[in-house]
Amino acid sequence: AQSVTQLDSQVPVFEEAPVELRCNYSSSVSVYLFWYVQYPNQGLQLLLKYLSGSTLVKGINGFEAEFNKSQTSFHLRKPSVHISDTAEYFCAVSDPYSGGYQKVTFGTGTKLQVIP
Amino acid sequence: EAGVAQSPRYKIIEKRQSVAFWCNPISGHATLYWYQQILGQGPKLLIQFQNNGVVDDSQLPKDRFSAERLKGVDSTLKIQPAKLEDSAVYLCASSGLVGVNEQFFGPGTRLTVL
Repeated sequence: AQSVTQLDSQVPVFEEAPVELRCNYSSSVSVYLFWYVQYPNQGLQLLLKYLSGSTLVKGINGFEAEFNKSQTSFHLRKPSVHISDTAEYFCAVSDPYSGGYQKVTFGTGTKLQVIP
Repeated sequence: EAGVAQSPRYKIIEKRQSVAFWCNPISGHATLYWYQQILGQGPKLLIQFQNNGVVDDSQLPKDRFSAERLKGVDSTLKIQPAKLEDSAVYLCASSGLVGVNEQFFGPGTRLTVL
């Protein structure tokens, strides 16, 4: 069975500072990996996804993530955060061999608080 | 294109009452998902439809939860009777293709059970 661990429930960071949100996954097979963002009182929005190929994935709003198979990690990074990045971020994993349909497991989320 | 629509946005009921949520996915999306998001947790898949057929309902508490997707378009999720632990945000999402694809989420329905 697949699972996702987001160790940090909250991450405070000053505006214009870099940030890294950590994500580790567990799966017995190859995986697809995703980062979603959830702004207050809204649904989730896809930031980026890793399916195959280059291990460095670039997403929207200046975010990027690096897939590390040996460490089973998919950490999200941004070199300089803005107040508008304050939100909750969810890492998710999908098993590409799950019977022909996508079954996604989400982590518990990391709340990013950008401090002015 | 219009996004995933959900209604109501908020609902407050007393335990043992019934409640229903409605979702209209993005036009043309074959796959529809219902998630339960309890405060402080990530979304948990309750049920997944491919057109109007169920492909995964392994985490749906079938003694009290039911869902249908008639005609393969919009969907309703019902809880009968509700328990205190059902208080959560219920998210609907849709995607366009079988296999790996981006899920588009609605704004959710926040349910409070008193």
